[in-house]
Amino acid sequence: AQSVTQLGSHVSVSEGALVLLRCNYSSSVPPYLFWYVQYPNQGLQLLLKYTSAATLVKGINGFEAEFKKSETSFHLTKPSAHMSDAAEYFCAVRAIQGAQKLVFGQGTRLTINP
Amino acid sequence: NAGVTQTPKFQVLKTGQSMTLQCAQDMNHNSMYWYRQDPGMGLRLIYYSASEGTTDKGEVPNGYNVSRLNKREFSLRLESAAPSQTSVYFCASRRNRGDTGELFFGEGSRLTVL
Repeated sequence: AQSVTQLGSHVSVSEGALVLLRCNYSSSVPPYLFWYVQYPNQGLQLLLKYTSAATLVKGINGFEAEFKKSETSFHLTKPSAHMSDAAEYFCAVRAIQGAQKLVFGQGTRLTINP
Repeated sequence: NAGVTQTPKFQVLKTGQSMTLQCAQDMNHNSMYWYRQDPGMGLRLIYYSASEGTTDKGEVPNGYNVSRLNKREFSLRLESAAPSQTSVYFCASRRNRGDTGELFFGEGSRLTVL
């Protein structure tokens, strides 16, 4: 079975500061990992995904995430926050083989201070 | 590019009333999903349909029924609505057949049960 834990339900950073959103996963088999973003009153859209190729994955809007198997982590980072990054972010995991279901973390709401 | 379309976007029900949420995708995807989103709980899977003609329970199926009407459409029915079903409901689809499991989401249906 797979599970995801996102550390921190709310994260607040200043505009221009580093963004770090933490995600740890549990999976008994090699996983696919995803980060989704949800802007207010919208659906979720894919930010980036890890599919067992490169461990450092680059996504849209300057975000990237690094898969660290030894730490079972897939943290999301952005070097310089922009006001438009304010949103809720979800980490999700799926087993590579056979699993139909994507399991989501609880979400982290990112606030950007001017 | 319509993608995944959900109707209605907003609905208010009284306890005991019934209603159906409609979902359609135009990407020729094989799998479709219904999630609910509640504050602090992330997204929880209600039901999914791995392919046309099949449906399976997710994490929180009680109080809901689904119909995979054809490859494009997957509806969610509340037979006797309860206040605990007040939530935002998301429909999603997935290509399946060798993909990485990425889901494509609709914009959500916000349901309030009084």
